[in-house]
Amino acid sequence: LAKTTQPISMDSYEGQEVNITCSHNNIATNDYITWYQQFPSQGPRFIIQGYKTKVTNEVASLFIPADRKSSTLSLPRVSLSDTAVYYCLVGTGNQFYFGTGTSLTVIP
Amino acid sequence: EPEVTQTPSHQVTQMGQEVILRCVPISNHLYFYWYRQILGQKVEFLVSFYNNEISEKSEIFDDQFSVERPDGSNFTLKIRSTKLEDSAMYFCASRVAPFSTDTQYFGPGTRLTVL
Repeated sequence: LAKTTQPISMDSYEGQEVNITCSHNNIATNDYITWYQQFPSQGPRFIIQGYKTKVTNEVASLFIPADRKSSTLSLPRVSLSDTAVYYCLVGTGNQFYFGTGTSLTVIP
Repeated sequence: EPEVTQTPSHQVTQMGQEVILRCVPISNHLYFYWYRQILGQKVEFLVSFYNNEISEKSEIFDDQFSVERPDGSNFTLKIRSTKLEDSAMYFCASRVAPFSTDTQYFGPGTRLTVL
């Protein structure tokens, strides 16, 4: 089962773009990469998912290189409300393992 | 928008007591999950459930834990004899099918406090 490694914490000023990278060296062929956001005392909330290259939705972009051993979540123009923990998950089917997550703090 | 619901939001129990945590998954979802999160730590997978049986479980999910779908809407996690270290947030999640592209949707969690 693929494990993930992320930076423990990041700080960013409001209005900046934030990039959070996740390492998943032993990702399997069928695994997708999913990012979740979690606020304190709440359940994780889906942000974006991808398999390869680039995926973009209304809140974020996900960049996945050809070897798929890492991925980068990009949050454009963060606001104070984006302060949360961001988790990268790799898996398929019936098991998913969260890494330690990246605690993002947005500073005014 | 449909959502996963969990009850109670907070459960306090004495060590050694049995607790049942309840979840109502999204109605057309077929795959269900329980996770836990000890305060300040990462979210940990406990168990996945499909077609009235466990699909996968982690090493945390020992004989003290059981899951059940007692009717068409509820999905429960039972801890038979709670220990202090069971104190955590417990999250239920559901998804339509176990395909890689299907998103898991998480409930708001139940905070379990074992005294």
